Amino acid sequence: DAGVTQSPTHLIKTRGQQVTLRCSPKSGHDTVSWYQQALGQGPQFIFQYYEEEERQRGNFPDRFSGHQFPNYSSELNVNALLLGDSALYLCASSLGQGKDTQYFGPGTRLTVL
Amino acid sequence: GQSLEQPSEVTAVEGAIVQINCTYQTSGFYGLSWYQQHDGGAPTFLSYNALDGLEETGRFSSFLSRSDSYGYLLLQELQMKDSASYFCAVLRNQGGKLIFGQGTELSVKP
Repeated sequence: DAGVTQSPTHLIKTRGQQVTLRCSPKSGHDTVSWYQQALGQGPQFIFQYYEEEERQRGNFPDRFSGHQFPNYSSELNVNALLLGDSALYLCASSLGQGKDTQYFGPGTRLTVL
Repeated sequence: GQSLEQPSEVTAVEGAIVQINCTYQTSGFYGLSWYQQHDGGAPTFLSYNALDGLEETGRFSSFLSRSDSYGYLLLQELQMKDSASYFCAVLRNQGGKLIFGQGTELSVKP
């Protein structure tokens, strides 16, 4: 049974560029949440997708957007990258809009130069 | 506002018992989760408390007091591999949003 998978594992971009990160949830899970984790900090909630819609959003600008596909996989898009967007981006999957345990993927390390 | 407080660092020796405390202040509370994260890795789920009391899972136990807005993670028979960061996280009662603390870095010495 595959756990949560994310791609790519590492990414280097320059300021102003756009990036797309991908997440496949654990088998049987229908909800995907995205988190940003800066170095030495706890993960911060970006948004959650359930039934192909954004259900909740954290305190992140509109440059951060996402999508969920019918197979429950999800993408996180970040436009107009800033140096401060450099972080580990984590995807967590769960069942039933997140009230069940959330299981995290290995993350994508994004570096913005 | 929403905040969680936990110690930034804890050091203990192999075989010992360590307790990591977490106090929280959030609008809306569904439960308290604990995650372990090794350097640069994925946060790994350890335990979850929705009701007051103690939950035990092997060497790890977690406690919650909703009236005190307080919980702790208890690690017994510490092993070197337990050296990691430990995060408490509040599950909001509206749709599963997790609010994380800043993390406690546990160092286990021989």
